[in-house]
Parts: sequence; structure tokens; C-alpha cells
Amino acid sequence: NAGVTQTPKFQVLKTGQSMTLQCAQDMNHNSMYWYRQDPGMGLRLIYYSASEGTTDKGEVPNGYNVSRLNKREFSLRLESAAPSQTSVYFCASSDPPFRGGGEKLFFGSGTQLSVL
Amino acid sequence: QKEVEQNSGPLSVPEGAIASLNCTYSDRGSQSFFWYRQYSGKSPELIMSIYSNGDKEDGRFTAQLNKASQYVSLLIRDSQPSDSATYLCAVPSGGSYIPTFGRGTSLIVHP
Repeated sequence: NAGVTQTPKFQVLKTGQSMTLQCAQDMNHNSMYWYRQDPGMGLRLIYYSASEGTTDKGEVPNGYNVSRLNKREFSLRLESAAPSQTSVYFCASSDPPFRGGGEKLFFGSGTQLSVL
Repeated sequence: QKEVEQNSGPLSVPEGAIASLNCTYSDRGSQSFFWYRQYSGKSPELIMSIYSNGDKEDGRFTAQLNKASQYVSLLIRDSQPSDSATYLCAVPSGGSYIPTFGRGTSLIVHP
């Protein structure tokens, strides 16, 4: 009963290094998301994918790229990490909307990223 | 400007009391409303959803929605120390199905 699986759980990078955060879900959800969470800022949407083959920018997309590899997997890439990208990153997937709409999100366990 | 507002707290209540958490939102067209609980160092977990004006009860939790006043609240009856967490309000807005999250309210239930 894995749900949403994120790797790695912790990562330390130096400024300018690149890395990819991996996310996979086994709930057959169409939509997947990447959020970042900073103290006092709440959860902010970086990118989302409404379905396999589509991706869209969220509130804070600068400095990030994403790939929806297939229905299960959605990765987030930092091409040249900056200290401002130090944060906790959460991947999520969601049920189809129903009634008045609005997605119920299921979150992965998160990745604590530090950029020095 | 954040579209979903919450008092950051912390809200401190004694064990057994009712904890009341509030959230206001700016988009009058919003149709669905969600409460997530996040323990320290963990990921958010959905605990309540509400779509119609009025109250929705689930165990010790009650969600209250007032669309005219644009607020949604979460009541936790018989609060337990295990309820100590940050509670996030989430509301899809701007015609999107994707929820915008408030910054969360920290709840502390002390014995």
C-alpha cells in the first residue's frame, strides 16, 4: 500500500549543482503535483500535470523543470540549484474531481533539500 | 495576495476542550473546501472536505462552511495531545480544480 513515493528523502547540494527528485504513485491517479513548503509560506505549487503527457506551471516555477514520464511517475529537476531553493518538496497525486470540483491530494513523504 | 488566509497561531487549548480553526477565502466562486493535518516533519494528510453550506461531522471533527461570509472552519471536539499539528485550509479558486493552501494554523493541545 505504497501510495505516493518520493526519493530521495534528504539531499544537500552545492550552488550550481543539478539534481532530479523522483515521484511515483500507484493509485492510478491522473493528476500529479510538485509543491514546495517554506516556513511561514505554506505550500506553494511549482508544477502540475493533469494527465500523462501534459505539464503546466504553478505559482513558483522559475528554476525548475518537470517530466511526466508516464501515468505513475512525475519528476522535478533543478538544473542549477540556488540557496533560495532550499526547502521541503512534496509530490502529490489526486483523485478525479467530483461534485463542485476540487482535487483531494495525497502527498508523498517529502524531500528535505538544502542548497549551500 | 494570498487567496486563502489562516491565523498562523499557535492556538493552544487544554486537553478535552474544543479547538476552533478558521480560514477565509477570497474567491466567491469556490465550490469545495478541504482541511489537511500536518504533523511536524511529516506530509499533509486530508482529514475533511466540505462542499455545501452548513456543518459536516466526522467523528470528533466538524467542518463548517459559510459561503456568504467566505469562511470555513474546523472544530475539533475533545481535543487530544495527538491532535497537536498544523492544520492547512485548501480551497480551489479562480476556476481551477487545484487547491490553494493557506499558511496553516499550528495547534497545541496541552495535557
